[in-house]
Amino acid sequence: GDSVTQMEGPVTLSEEAFLTINCTYTATGYPSLFWYVQYPGEGLQLLLKATKADDKGSNKGFEATYRKETTSFHLEKGSVQVSDSAVYFCALRTSNTNAGKSTFGDGTTLTVKP
Amino acid sequence: DADVTQTPRNRITKTGKRIMLECSQTKGHDRMYWYRQDPGLGLRLIYYSFDVKDINKGEISDGYSVSRQAQAKFSLSLESAIPNQTALYFCATSDPIAGIQETQYFGPGTRLLVL
Repeated sequence: GDSVTQMEGPVTLSEEAFLTINCTYTATGYPSLFWYVQYPGEGLQLLLKATKADDKGSNKGFEATYRKETTSFHLEKGSVQVSDSAVYFCALRTSNTNAGKSTFGDGTTLTVKP
Repeated sequence: DADVTQTPRNRITKTGKRIMLECSQTKGHDRMYWYRQDPGLGLRLIYYSFDVKDINKGEISDGYSVSRQAQAKFSLSLESAIPNQTALYFCATSDPIAGIQETQYFGPGTRLLVL
């Protein structure tokens, strides 16, 4: 079945540090890949996505590149801010849509200190 | 106004009680979902619905039931609550027109404590 593995947290960084959150996946079909972010006290919201190999998703300074050869979709940001403190979820969706659902990783908590 | 709303936002109940969590959406999406979130376990799917007449079990449906009253409303019930159902519950919607790029839109969550 489909699965998503994220690097374990929590991750604590100082403001302006470089961020990488690793995400690898296994999928029975050809997936679309997503990063969702959950700010404190809120639901998840889409951060970025990529739908085919070598696509780069980007939003709010975050980027992730769909690497089919390494089955990865690592999230990066060059300079984090305190406001980026949140839980980040990697997810996938395949063409096996009879299930009609996405598969989520366990989430990685990021704390950015001033 | 929020596109996906959940009520209540917080609930404390006792073991054995029946409770209902409600979800409403104004996005006009056919697909709706209920997830629970537990620390270190990510999101786990409880039930999902493709349309008003279609209800499907997710990976952890035991102890839960759902009702899709209308396209915009999807309720989750715990018939007899137990302490290990203490969790954060999320409702979500999606639009199947997007196909494999389908994004999910989440409500703010309901924090449930079963004593």
